[in-house]
Amino acid sequence: DAKTTQPTSMDCAEGRAANLPCNHSTISGNEYVYWYRQIHSQGPQYIIHGLKNNETNEMASLIITEDRKSSTLILPHATLRDTAVYYCIVRVVGTYKYIFGTGTRLKVLA
Amino acid sequence: EPEVTQTPSHQVTQMGQEVILRCVPISNHLYFYWYRQILGQKVEFLVSFYNNEISEKSEIFDDQFSVERPDGSNFTLKIRSTKLEDSAMYFCASRNGDSGSEKLFFGSGTQLSVL
Repeated sequence: DAKTTQPTSMDCAEGRAANLPCNHSTISGNEYVYWYRQIHSQGPQYIIHGLKNNETNEMASLIITEDRKSSTLILPHATLRDTAVYYCIVRVVGTYKYIFGTGTRLKVLA
Repeated sequence: EPEVTQTPSHQVTQMGQEVILRCVPISNHLYFYWYRQILGQKVEFLVSFYNNEISEKSEIFDDQFSVERPDGSNFTLKIRSTKLEDSAMYFCASRNGDSGSEKLFFGSGTQLSVL
């Protein structure tokens, strides 16, 4: 089973920041948090990952709480093309499986 | 940017037939995966493969499924006798290294329809 919980759906106005939360209260000290998204039925697309420090790349920012039990993916200026299902993933302890949960369906509104 | 390539993009088969789904992982990657997604459902892990053997598999990956890396570039998923419930999108993925922070790269998928 996935080690993460996310809201089922969210809406965001175009041009505004989209903040997608994720809870991973059972995360272990050496496990990374990954974010992927899936547009329609395309292959999941990597967005960003982190261990304990906040991370930023050209697509998004990742904020991880100090206790590491939750994180937030931030899309700073959402566009219509960011409409997708966003998955927060923590690797299964002792394995290299990446287990997808049900994700958050983000709808960016014009 | 390097890509994981999957062929065919669509495959239609009759129930009971064998199918082989093909993938070309990114060339310097060492770990290979198959996932599937039934329409409207989440992405499910099937199997991971490293050093020419299965490293992990899910309960979905029963005796009807097999994987192979027949040469230095291809990675295949075989379903021996397809069932209606095997209809799904199948994604291949690969990653490099073993540091714990490696990102998984996915192909665009093969849509399998079993009639």
